[in-house]
Formats: sequence, C-alpha cells, structure tokens
Amino acid sequence: EVQLVESGGGLVQPGGSLRLSCEVSGVTISSNYMSWVRQRPGQGLQWVATIYGGGTTYYAESVQGRFTFSRRDSLNTVYLQMTTLRPEDTANYFCASHYCNSGSCYVDYWGQGTLVTVSS
Amino acid sequence: SYVLTQPPSVSVAPGKTATLTCGGDNIETRSVHWYQQRPGQAPVVVMYSDSERPSGIPERFSGSNSGNTATLTISRVEDGDEADYYCQLWDIGSDHVLFGGGTKLSVL
Repeated sequence: EVQLVESGGGLVQPGGSLRLSCEVSGVTISSNYMSWVRQRPGQGLQWVATIYGGGTTYYAESVQGRFTFSRRDSLNTVYLQMTTLRPEDTANYFCASHYCNSGSCYVDYWGQGTLVTVSS
Repeated sequence: SYVLTQPPSVSVAPGKTATLTCGGDNIETRSVHWYQQRPGQAPVVVMYSDSERPSGIPERFSGSNSGNTATLTISRVEDGDEADYYCQLWDIGSDHVLFGGGTKLSVL
C-alpha cells in the first residue's frame, strides 16, 4: 500500500520560514517524480514544485527563489523548505507522487495535506 | 504560458449526464488527466491520458479530447458524484504541472 504522510505545517509570521516533510512508503522516491501541490482555502489546486527521479527540480514562478524541494532517499522522504513566506502562501500543502507514461504525468497518490498559515 | 479553462460550476439532475469541459489551445495534442475532490479530502484521479479510467472508477466516467476541449463525461449521475473536478496536464516545454481552475459539480 502506498502512503504519503505530510507534516510540518503550522502558523508562521510573514517573512518566516517553515519546512514541510512527506514520508513516503510503498514507492521509491528516487525512482519517481514527486510534487508539492497547494490549495488555498476555498480555492483550486495549484502546482508548487516537482522533483524528478534524477534530482532536478522545477518550481512555479510564485515560489521560485523562496521554496526549495529536496529529498533524502535513505528515509524515502521529500521536503519543501519555504522561506520569506507571504500571506498568500497560506494553503493546504499536498505531497504527490506521479505516474508518468509517454511524456505525460499524473498524480496517482496524494497525501492528506498539511496546513500552512502565514499570518501575524 | 499555457492556460486550462474550466467552467466554475455545472449542475445536473440525478440520473442525467454531466459534461465537464477543460479548454486549452490545441489541447488535443496534450494528454489530459482529471481529478475528483470531495470536501475535506485529497483529490483522486478519475481519468488519465484523456480517456483511460483507473481501476475502481465506475464505467459511468468517460473522457475525450478533441480540438481545443477535453471533456469528462459522467453518465447516470449519482449524489456521490457531487465534488470539485480538476483537469491537469504536464507541460513538457516548461516542465510545469498545470491545473485548470476546477468545476464544482452539483447534483440537483
């Protein structure tokens, strides 16, 4: 059974930092594309970042330069380091594992999400 | 940048057919995936690669992609189909994941 379990969310002041973790079981993260997807309260899904199996990372423009996606293969865990947080970063952050075929990828497994609130 | 456009809401009576659309420039050349999200839950894929149905998804769900519109069709709609639906594709050119804005399906 595949499970993705996020942690690390919470309340942080604007300009602050937070690190999210996602422990993965049932799939090997170093062989998979992994993403973070967020959802602001009452709004739609928004892609944040992706890490490829080889370690290359890609970011949405809104978080480029502020967020860093990394992983620790020995723990089968991925991380999202968030700095210079803004109120508009307030959202539920989902960890996601992709299945890729013929040049296209979709999310086949999602975590339950961890809530990040940026407020003074 | 590439944009996916979904109507904010669709309403349908039980037993009828719901047609959810996802518009994009020449989207037929892309592979489109669809997710269902019920309140308070994580999304679930209900269609991938335009028209492939994952195991466990009822045959009532079908997908197509032609021209500038990808479509998720739900036949014989049930109360349990009431949810938000999102289309998604992988933009190879930018290595970005794109989501549509989502459609709230209401079952009357």
